[in-house]
Amino acid sequence: DSGVTQTPKHLITATGQRVTLRCSPRSGDLSVYWYQQSLDQGLQFLIQYYNGEERAKGNILERFSAQQFPDLHSELNLSSLELGDSALYFCASSQAGGSYNEQFFGPGTRLTVL
Amino acid sequence: AQSVTQLGSHVSVSEGALVLLRCNYSSSVPPYLFWYVQYPNQGLQLLLKYTTGATLVKGINGFEAEFKKSETSFHLTKPSAHMSDAAEYFCAVWPPSGAGSYQLTFGKGTKLSVIP
Repeated sequence: DSGVTQTPKHLITATGQRVTLRCSPRSGDLSVYWYQQSLDQGLQFLIQYYNGEERAKGNILERFSAQQFPDLHSELNLSSLELGDSALYFCASSQAGGSYNEQFFGPGTRLTVL
Repeated sequence: AQSVTQLGSHVSVSEGALVLLRCNYSSSVPPYLFWYVQYPNQGLQLLLKYTTGATLVKGINGFEAEFKKSETSFHLTKPSAHMSDAAEYFCAVWPPSGAGSYQLTFGKGTKLSVIP
C-alpha cells in the first residue's frame, strides 16, 4: 500500500459526460501528479500540482482540468468524454515539487467511456 | 525532449533464469533514471533509481540496474527470476537540472512472464 488513495476504483460513463476523479496523497506529501495509462499511448504525464498551485503540465487535453485543494487532495475533471478517453488514470504524490523525488502511485481509476 | 525506449514489449524467462530488461534514453545530458514495476491491477512501485554516483544501482526484490553513459542505457537485471516477478516494468527518466520540463517520461513498458 503506497498510502495514496484514489476514488472511485472503476467508472463507467457515456460519451459527452463529465466525471471527477479524486486523489488523496500520502500524509506529508505536497505534490500530486496525474497520469493516463492507455494501450496505445502508454503512460503519459498529465499535470502536477504542488501545494495548491499548478507546477507542470504535460499532455493534458483542454477538456481535462485539475485542482489541488487546501487539504492537498486533488481532483481531475474530465468533460465532453470521448471513447478514446477510456484509460487507467493514476495519481501519484511526492514530498516536494521537483527534482527526482520518488513518486508514490495510487491504485488508479479505470474509466470506461461507452 | 526526453524519450525512453524499452526494447521488447514482452519478455519470457524460465524460473531461475537471468532477467534482462532493456532501457535506452535519448538525452545529451544524462537524466535521472528510474525503474518502476506494475503488478496486475495495481499502481506503479519504484524498484530503483539512478541520480548520481555509483553507476550500479541496487533496488528492491533483488533487482539492479547499471547506468552506462556511453551507451545511454539503464538496463534492469535480476540473476534468478521468481514467479512473483511476473509484472510489467517501466523505465522512466526525469530531466537533469536546467533541462526544462520537469516531468517523468515513461517508456512503453515490458511485460515479464516467468515460466515455471
